[in-house]
Amino acid sequence: DIQMTQSPSLLSASVGDRVTLSCKASQNIYKYLNWYQQKLGEAPKLLIYYTNSLQTGIPSRFSGSGSGTDFTLTISSLQPEDVATYYCYQYNSGPWTFGGGTKLELK
Amino acid sequence: EVQLQQSGPELRRPGSSVKLSCKASGYSITDYLMHWVKHRPEHGLEWIGWIDPEDGETKYAQKFQSKATLTADTSSNTAYMQLSSLTSEDTATYFCARHTTGLDYWGQGVMVTVSS
Repeated sequence: DIQMTQSPSLLSASVGDRVTLSCKASQNIYKYLNWYQQKLGEAPKLLIYYTNSLQTGIPSRFSGSGSGTDFTLTISSLQPEDVATYYCYQYNSGPWTFGGGTKLELK
Repeated sequence: EVQLQQSGPELRRPGSSVKLSCKASGYSITDYLMHWVKHRPEHGLEWIGWIDPEDGETKYAQKFQSKATLTADTSSNTAYMQLSSLTSEDTATYFCARHTTGLDYWGQGVMVTVSS
């Protein structure tokens, strides 16, 4: 099974900060990597698909990059509504797997 | 508009089973795989498996092989997941989600509580 490791597990940042979240795969997943945002009590929301494609309706401050085993989600200017837990998810090969999540909070 | 409407919260006794539903609207469920995901706040998201509603083919994560059974009814455009031999470890929120470029549309989730 492909293991997905996210870091950090908890991140505190201020409004306006540039924020970078990391996700590492235990083997090559090419670019089959998505990023999800989950707020308390809600379903996960797709932010980025296929590593760097912005889902319709998602603000342009979110961006993704990477390939192979190393991936990054960047928020260019953190907003209060971005407080959430962020998950990466690989769909290169089954079983499909999620990372453990990064909880993003305001400093 | 694509929507996935899941059934309401469930309370079950240990050892019992539960069947959850996920009714799709705005598209035909035979067009895409339907996945199911488990969420516990302290454990994050866990992928359970998928079903191809067109032919009934299923694929499960190893740990859910004996726990979950995925089915679909194309006449009602609804996917189902049955969880058996429930324990406290099955207390969680369960989501259905459509797969296109990964999981794009999600149901609102259903809370299952297992308690004596």
